[in-house]
Amino acid sequence: AQSVTQLDSHVSVSEGTPVLLRCNYSSSYSPSLFWYVQHPNKGLQLLLKYTSAATLVKGINGFEAEFKKSETSFHLTKPSAHMSDAAEYFCVVTYTGGGNKLTFGTGTQLKVEL
Amino acid sequence: DAGITQSPRHKVTETGTPVTLRCHQTENHRYMYWYRQDPGHGLRLIHYSYGVKDTDKGEVSDGYSVSRSKTEDFLLTLESATSSQTSVYFCAISETGSSPLHFGNGTRLTVT
Repeated sequence: AQSVTQLDSHVSVSEGTPVLLRCNYSSSYSPSLFWYVQHPNKGLQLLLKYTSAATLVKGINGFEAEFKKSETSFHLTKPSAHMSDAAEYFCVVTYTGGGNKLTFGTGTQLKVEL
Repeated sequence: DAGITQSPRHKVTETGTPVTLRCHQTENHRYMYWYRQDPGHGLRLIHYSYGVKDTDKGEVSDGYSVSRSKTEDFLLTLESATSSQTSVYFCAISETGSSPLHFGNGTRLTVT
């Protein structure tokens, strides 16, 4: 069994300040973890993925995430928010060898203010 | 958007009518998926395909059927639409069973 919890449904930051979107997971097997971003009226786009290599994963647009097994967390961060980062973000878990049986979190809406 | 086209982009239909949504890909990927997105639920898998004529159910498959007669096309059919099937439907593709998914832009379906 696997599940993922996004701890905040909405996050608001000022442009130029750091972004932190929190995700906790559970998985009976070795997990693979992803962050996807969805802009309005668009499909989801892969930001980054963790598949048991380096625990600090760098993605597109300056985002990164750190896999912490002891905390069962995979939080998404960015040092400095840009207006174009405003979107909905999804944390996703599957397990190695599980095919693409993905489990999605319920999403975090990121608002970036001037 | 990784060569994925969903049609139609918007549809309004009445309860009890059949509806077919189409997903067309130009990437020659083996795996194709149908998800629905609803507020508070994230995305949930309806059906997926791992090859031509090879399909399997996801977690919310009741009321839906799929067909894949060609690599590039994956059809989702609602045999008799209900209001609970009002949602945004996303098609996704992947090259293998463990590679990341690429999503289409979605179809917004309203059942009145």
